[in-house]
Amino acid sequence: QKEVEQDPGPLSVPEGAIVSLNCTYSNSAFQYFMWYRQYSRKGPELLMYTYSSGNKEDGRFTAQVDKSSKYISLFIRDSQPSDSATYLCAMRTTDSWGKLQFGSGTQVVVTP
Amino acid sequence: NAGVTQTPKFQVLKTGQSMTLQCAQDMNHEYMSWYRQDPGMGLRLIHYSVGAGITDQGEVPNGYNVSRSTTEDFPLRLLSAAPSQTSVYFCASRTGQSTRNEQFFGPGTRLTVL
Repeated sequence: QKEVEQDPGPLSVPEGAIVSLNCTYSNSAFQYFMWYRQYSRKGPELLMYTYSSGNKEDGRFTAQVDKSSKYISLFIRDSQPSDSATYLCAMRTTDSWGKLQFGSGTQVVVTP
Repeated sequence: NAGVTQTPKFQVLKTGQSMTLQCAQDMNHEYMSWYRQDPGMGLRLIHYSVGAGITDQGEVPNGYNVSRSTTEDFPLRLLSAAPSQTSVYFCASRTGQSTRNEQFFGPGTRLTVL
């Protein structure tokens, strides 16, 4: 069983809708949680980062972490066609520095 | 700053051939990593380094070697390529500051082993 599980999609939504993405994990030692966005044939880029539990908002993006359920979420409000990409969750423990554990990624398609 | 650069962008090898994937960063980052990305598998860590002269294995290290002689460079060597190593390879770097979590990724190298 993978340490981090993520639905591969694809997830297709109309422009303006809310996109809801999530990951589950099994390692309770994970403390740092990240969401990366990856456009086709490009490297991933960091979108959101959260430490421990709680919510974090940045513009149209909201990241949530529920450590008791080992569940993290990313919400994209007022989705745009430019949000079409693969979204990867990633996480690490306090002392794992450069070692991120990634989910398999969810492909999102926002249709005009 | 160029960020993280990788060469080549594309490569086709025959089984048994060797090659080196180059990675360089100009951000003076302590930590550098190599990942491979396969459909449905996400990104899997191959090797990583926490500084010049220090490397360690990740999740899928077999068939790959690394070294880190300078802060800037972190090459990945395939000693005897196998079809199972067909993948997209990403190099990443990040600062050693514990409060800065962003890993910067290079554009990737698409490798096909025939």
